[in-house]
Amino acid sequence: SQQGEEDPQALSIQEGENATMNCSYKTSINNLQWYRQNSGRGLVHLILIRSNEREKHSGRLRVTLDTSKKSSSLLITASRAADTASYFCATDASSGNTPLVFGKGTRLSVIA
Amino acid sequence: EPEVTQTPSHQVTQMGQEVILRCVPISNHLYFYWYRQILGQKVEFLVSFYNNEISEKSEIFDDQFSVERPDGSNFTLKIRSTKLEDSAMYFCASSLAGTTKGRAFFGQGTRLTVV
Repeated sequence: SQQGEEDPQALSIQEGENATMNCSYKTSINNLQWYRQNSGRGLVHLILIRSNEREKHSGRLRVTLDTSKKSSSLLITASRAADTASYFCATDASSGNTPLVFGKGTRLSVIA
Repeated sequence: EPEVTQTPSHQVTQMGQEVILRCVPISNHLYFYWYRQILGQKVEFLVSFYNNEISEKSEIFDDQFSVERPDGSNFTLKIRSTKLEDSAMYFCASSLAGTTKGRAFFGQGTRLTVV
């Protein structure tokens, strides 16, 4: 499967610090998407990066994609307590209509 | 931003009962999905639906599950005879042109508790 796997599983940082989460996957992809989930709530789409892109920014978010290593990273700069959530990467395979496959997520805690 | 709406937000049902989870996808979207997330675990794909038929389903989506888009607006997931292990958060999602080409929009989820 092209399952994404995030690491670390849990990350605890101080407010103002940067948070970096990594995702690895197994097969060729069309795109990789990052989602955020507050505890017990819905999935919020953060950013989509296509297989032919290497880096993308959105506000305090920076995503990189290395298709040769089958990995992606999500950087949140100047973190805030409100960034506390679980972050998931999801991959869309490059064949057929295979739906998004989610990783296990990274639980980020930002301490004020 | 457009939203996917799911109802109810929380449903409690007796084991063996049928349950229907409802979703209103974004109006011009063509691809529809159900995912579930057992508490503390990852989000798992159940089924995708396009052009009024199932386009893909996972091993989880067995004969106890069915989906329907009865009126061009709602997208429902039915579980015929619920089991304790069906307790999870169920997410509906929709996409304009499939997740190959773009993002999926997720609803807030229905928390199903089977007792």
